Amino acid sequence: DVVMTQTPLSLSVTPGQPASISCKSSQSLLYSDGKNYFYWYLQKPGQSPQLLIYEVSSRFSGVPDRFSGSGSGTDFTLKISRVEAEDVGVYYCMQALHLPYTFGQGTKLEIK
Amino acid sequence: QMQLVESGGGLVKPGGSLRLSCAASGFTFRDYYMSWIRQAPGKGLEWISYINGGSGTIYYADSVKGRFTISRDNAKNSLYLQMSSLRAEDTAVYYCARANWGLLDAFDIWGQGTMVTVSS
Repeated sequence: DVVMTQTPLSLSVTPGQPASISCKSSQSLLYSDGKNYFYWYLQKPGQSPQLLIYEVSSRFSGVPDRFSGSGSGTDFTLKISRVEAEDVGVYYCMQALHLPYTFGQGTKLEIK
Repeated sequence: QMQLVESGGGLVKPGGSLRLSCAASGFTFRDYYMSWIRQAPGKGLEWISYINGGSGTIYYADSVKGRFTISRDNAKNSLYLQMSSLRAEDTAVYYCARANWGLLDAFDIWGQGTMVTVSS
């Protein structure tokens, strides 16, 4: 199975400050179609996961532009330019190129 | 409004069976792959199975292969997960999710989840 390794596992950020989460996969997520089958999800407290980013850097409908994704192959990053209180929760990376699909362990973001 | 609503969770003894359902609304259900994803208490997300629109393509994670069966009824806009030979480690919230081919198969719609507890 493809192992998705997120760092850090927890993050405490002052509102208005930036935050960054890294995700490394044990195999390349770049397919022959030139696309990386890589995603970011956020699970807010007490809620189901929700899609933030698909195909590395495309924001899902309604996701604020303070969220951005980058990377290719095996190394990916999620950046929040200015953290807000509503961004608290657990962030998961996920790959859907290799079966079984796999998630990272999750990164818990809290507000200072 | 596009939504998924799971049901069927509950308390079951080890070795027992349970059938989960996921009712879809607000979109053309038959056009999408659907998946089941679970989350053990206090743990991360684990994808366990998917099925394509015509039920011809199905895949399971090794952790549930041979014990769980995914199926769908497009006429009823419903997805199912038949779980048997349940173990304590199957205790989790089970989510159904839609894979959107327009978003590179991202899971863009999730249900609220249904809790399955396997305990004697």
